[in-house]
Amino acid sequence: GQQLNQSPQSMFIQEGEDVSMNCTSSSIFNTWLWYKQDPGEGPVLLIALYKAGELTSNGRLTAQFGITRKDSFLNISASIPSDVGIYFCAGGHGSSNTGKLIFGQGTTLQVKP
Amino acid sequence: DGGITQSPKYLFRKEGQNVTLSCEQNLNHDAMYWYRQDPGQGLRLIYYSQIVNDFQKGDIAEGYSVSREKKESFPLTVTSAQKNPTAFYLCASSIGELAGIQYFGAGTRLSVL
Repeated sequence: GQQLNQSPQSMFIQEGEDVSMNCTSSSIFNTWLWYKQDPGEGPVLLIALYKAGELTSNGRLTAQFGITRKDSFLNISASIPSDVGIYFCAGGHGSSNTGKLIFGQGTTLQVKP
Repeated sequence: DGGITQSPKYLFRKEGQNVTLSCEQNLNHDAMYWYRQDPGQGLRLIYYSQIVNDFQKGDIAEGYSVSREKKESFPLTVTSAQKNPTAFYLCASSIGELAGIQYFGAGTRLSVL
């Protein structure tokens, strides 16, 4: 099946640092979603993007829908220990009428207090 | 509270045994999905259903079966034909519109005895 290329695969940072991660694809998407998964739990939606070039914030999180519609970025400012987890991007085509999403492989974030 | 409930949280399967994972939602969502998650990998789609009494195979359907007799319920059976069933299984639902947001349950961890 189709996949998204998500990078970096993992990050180990100091508390207070800013974090950036991104997803790229060879295909165009009409929707980009960012999820966070805590250990042993299901993913929780962080930000949804629906328009090319759109920049959306949710607290310390900011995500952008790439202008080419083939990529998306997530930034976390001033990281704190509870930011630890796996971050997934997901893209939706919208034209297939199935509601299916394509997920990246995840970025594992560890924060050192 | 509205949400998606997966049960059990942990499940053990003996060789040659079929096991069924439960997924119930009270969000009145039309579409439901089953994903498999292995360490270091993204979410891989097993089966999905857009409407009651209808479902489609995802990318890794072999060794799995589903039913959708009620809108609220989408159980997944891991059959004995699935030779490597150990994984974290996630159920999700969405309103069903094009490339809509999917909401996830807390997951079931399946292990082989």
